[in-house]
Amino acid sequence: EAGVTQSPTHLIKTRGQQATLRCSPISGHTSVYWYQQALGLGLQFLLWYDEGEERNRGNFPPRFSGRQFPNYSSELNVNALELEDSALYLCASSSPAGTTFNEQFFGPGTRLTVL
Amino acid sequence: DQQVKQNSPSLSVQEGRISILNCDYTNSMFDYFLWYKKYPAEGPTFLISISSIKDKNEDGRFTVFLNKSAKHLSLHIVPSQPGDSAVYFCAGTTSGTYKYIFGTGTRLKVLA
Repeated sequence: EAGVTQSPTHLIKTRGQQATLRCSPISGHTSVYWYQQALGLGLQFLLWYDEGEERNRGNFPPRFSGRQFPNYSSELNVNALELEDSALYLCASSSPAGTTFNEQFFGPGTRLTVL
Repeated sequence: DQQVKQNSPSLSVQEGRISILNCDYTNSMFDYFLWYKKYPAEGPTFLISISSIKDKNEDGRFTVFLNKSAKHLSLHIVPSQPGDSAVYFCAGTTSGTYKYIFGTGTRLKVLA
C-alpha cells in the first residue's frame, strides 16, 4: 500500500512569491492535515481537510490556505512568502473522521526555502 | 503558547539500556497522547498512544506512562537499540478536533 506522497521534495522561492505544495493521501483516507516544522520548533498544526471541507485551522495568517480535491488529494498555498516561512511542510492523512482518535500517517515533507 | 513541551533536546543512551523520553503538557482538554518517531528525510511515524483514562500502555519494547495530575508523560524504550536513534515527538490531542499539538522533539542517540 502506497503511503502519503508529497511534491515537490524541495522548493525554493523568493520573498513575496507564492508557493504551492501538494499531497496525496493513503488510498481510502479522506482526511488530510498540514503541519509546518520550522527550525528548532515542533510540528505546528496548519490545516485539516475532510471530505473537501476545511474542518480546523491552526494559528496561521490567512495567506496560508489550501484545498482538498474530490480525489482527497490536497494543496497548500502560501501567498506573499516571508523569510520565516522557510520550513519543512508535512502532510498527513487519516481514515474517515467520525471516531474519537484517528492515527495520522505522515508523508516525507516538502522543504520550502524562501530567499 | 507551548502546550506540549519536551525539555530535553537530546539524549544519548548505551545499547541495551533503558531510554526515557519525557514530555509535559499544559492543556487539560487533551484526552489522547501520542509518540511519533522521525528519521532524517522521512515523515514522522506513529509509535504508541495512550488515552487519558489510562496510566500505562505497552507495545513490545515501548511503554508510555501518563501522570495526569502532573500533566506529564514519558516513553520508555527497553532495551534500546541503535535503530531507535531518531527524533521522538510527543503530541496531545482532544477528541473531535483531529488537531495534534506536538512538542519540539527529543533526539535520541543509541550508542553501540
